[in-house]
Amino acid sequence: AQSVTQLDSQVPVFEEAPVELRCNYSSSVSVYLFWYVQYPNQGLQLLLKYLSGSTLVESINGFEAEFNKSQTSFHLRKPSVHISDTAEYFCAVTFQKLVFGTGTRLLVSP
Amino acid sequence: EAGVVQSPRYKIIEKKQPVAFWCNPISGHNTLYWYRQNLGQGPELLIRYENEEAVDDSQLPKDRFSAERLKGVDSTLKIQPAELGDSAVYLCASSLLGDTEAFFGQGTRLTVV
Repeated sequence: AQSVTQLDSQVPVFEEAPVELRCNYSSSVSVYLFWYVQYPNQGLQLLLKYLSGSTLVESINGFEAEFNKSQTSFHLRKPSVHISDTAEYFCAVTFQKLVFGTGTRLLVSP
Repeated sequence: EAGVVQSPRYKIIEKKQPVAFWCNPISGHNTLYWYRQNLGQGPELLIRYENEEAVDDSQLPKDRFSAERLKGVDSTLKIQPAELGDSAVYLCASSLLGDTEAFFGQGTRLTVV
């Protein structure tokens, strides 16, 4: 079975500061990895995904995540956050179904 | 192109009453999912359909929950009777068969009082 751990339930950060949201997973088989974002009162949106190939994947709005097989991690980073990045971020893995972590709330303040 | 459409967006019912949620997936998507998201938690899969067939319903509480996907397109999720603990956001998602990316609707927020 697969599982996902997001250790930080909430991450407060000032605008233009860097941020890292941590994600660790457990699986006995190879999986695909995802980060989804949920803005207030909206559905989940795919932010980025790792399927194969380069271990560093990027999104169109400046986020990136690196797949680290030895550490079973897929941390999400952004070098400079904006107020509009305030949202809930979910890490997920899939083998035959999507399994989500509990989420990390990113709070960006001016 | 329209995304995954769910209705209603919000529903408040008294306990022991029935409730139903509706989902229209993205056109052409064979796979449909229903997830439940409790407050402060990540979504948890309730049931997954491949076309009309429910291929994974192991997490669906079958004593009170039921789902159907007639004709392999729209789907409904029903709870009868509802309990206080059923208060949550119910999310529908769809994907192409075998694809790794699922697209989510905005969800239905259910409050049982």
